[in-house]
Amino acid sequence: AQSVAQPEDQVNVAEGNPLTVKCTYSVSGNPYLFWYVQYPNRGLQFLLKYITGDNLVKGSYGFEAEFNKSQTSFHLKKPSALVSDSALYFCAVRHMDSNYQLIWGAGTKLIIKP
Amino acid sequence: EAGVTQFPSHSVIEKGQTVTLRCDPISGHDNLYWYRRVMGKEIKFLLHFVKESKQDESGMPNNRFLAERTGGTYSTLKVQPAELEDSGVYFCASSWTANEQFFGPGTRLTVL
Repeated sequence: AQSVAQPEDQVNVAEGNPLTVKCTYSVSGNPYLFWYVQYPNRGLQFLLKYITGDNLVKGSYGFEAEFNKSQTSFHLKKPSALVSDSALYFCAVRHMDSNYQLIWGAGTKLIIKP
Repeated sequence: EAGVTQFPSHSVIEKGQTVTLRCDPISGHDNLYWYRRVMGKEIKFLLHFVKESKQDESGMPNNRFLAERTGGTYSTLKVQPAELEDSGVYFCASSWTANEQFFGPGTRLTVL
């Protein structure tokens, strides 16, 4: 079965420090990977995606993610965290049998402390 | 350009009642999706429309859920009768291609 795992329910980082939100996946074939963010009382917003090409993907708000095929990971990173980055982050992979259905991780709550 | 909109933002109903959620996709997006997140758990796919046709409804939990997209524009998701386990946040998304789905703010459904 295809799945996405976000092993940390919550990540706490001090403002200005680098942050990493972890994501691993299990999928047959080549994965299409996505990160979305949900700010309080808002909908899900697209951050970035990996389809093919360079393993380091740059996205919105200074975030980036590195696709690692051997470790089946797609960790989200940012060099210097802002308090405004505090939100709920979701990793997703596209279902191999469907061109459209997304399979999601459980989400990681990111808290940036001043 | 207007984004995906959902109505209502919150709904509180009693077990056994009926609720209808509405989603207005981004204009021109043929693909429309419904997802659900039960509190603290992962987001689960419910179904996918291409225009007015159901492309994939493999995620619909049971026959108490009925989704429609008449005319290929907005979509409704009706739960009848609602049960306690139906509580959660229902997200709608739309897309032009398969590579990026745009999400609405969600409808928080509470069944008492």
